[in-house]
Amino acid sequence: DTGVSQDPRHKITKRGQNVTFRCDPISEHNRLYWYRQTLGQGPEFLTYFQNEAQLEKSRLLSDRFSAERPKGSFSTLEIQRTEQGDSAMYLCASSLGEGFNQYFGPGTRLTVT
Amino acid sequence: AQSVTQLDSQVPVFEEAPVELRCNYSSSVSVYLFWYVQYPNQGLQLLLKYLSGSTLVKGINGFEAEFNKSQTSFHLRKPSVHISDTAEYFCAVSDGDSNYQLIWGAGTKLIIKP
Repeated sequence: DTGVSQDPRHKITKRGQNVTFRCDPISEHNRLYWYRQTLGQGPEFLTYFQNEAQLEKSRLLSDRFSAERPKGSFSTLEIQRTEQGDSAMYLCASSLGEGFNQYFGPGTRLTVT
Repeated sequence: AQSVTQLDSQVPVFEEAPVELRCNYSSSVSVYLFWYVQYPNQGLQLLLKYLSGSTLVKGINGFEAEFNKSQTSFHLRKPSVHISDTAEYFCAVSDGDSNYQLIWGAGTKLIIKP
């Protein structure tokens, strides 16, 4: 069991640039979730996939945010035209079946300068 | 919409003393409750969960939590803490109708004093 992995672990970018983060879930897990966590707060749900289908995306923070899971395995989260307010930790989690046991990756820390 | 309140942002406690971390949620017909722990520089790990059945739930590392429907609470307890319990603890709720999206509290930092 290799756990959930995320890449990169840290990303520093200039305002206005696009960034893409990758998440590799636990191999047999069919559900994948993205969260954002800002300092002093709990994770904030963004979106989730069941296999390759994105079943909930209304919580994505703006139309600059998009996520894909093209083959039902790894997922990417893209932020276009980054803003300083996008600086946060982006967490990925996966689960098998219903989302009661979500396994989290270590997160990608984004800093927008 | 469901919401979660963790009343204490930090809880300092002496080693080997008992601890209670408080969590309250907004009312819902049916609710599933979780406690996660985040050790320094690590990802979130599930400590315990309440789905149904006994209101006293036991988790890993000697933690337990009690579901109290009338008080809409799910407080986390440990009878004797160790320095290795230093971490941030998050309470989360899912109402089952939201495809198991988790709604999270702001977290409580448990600080163990030697």
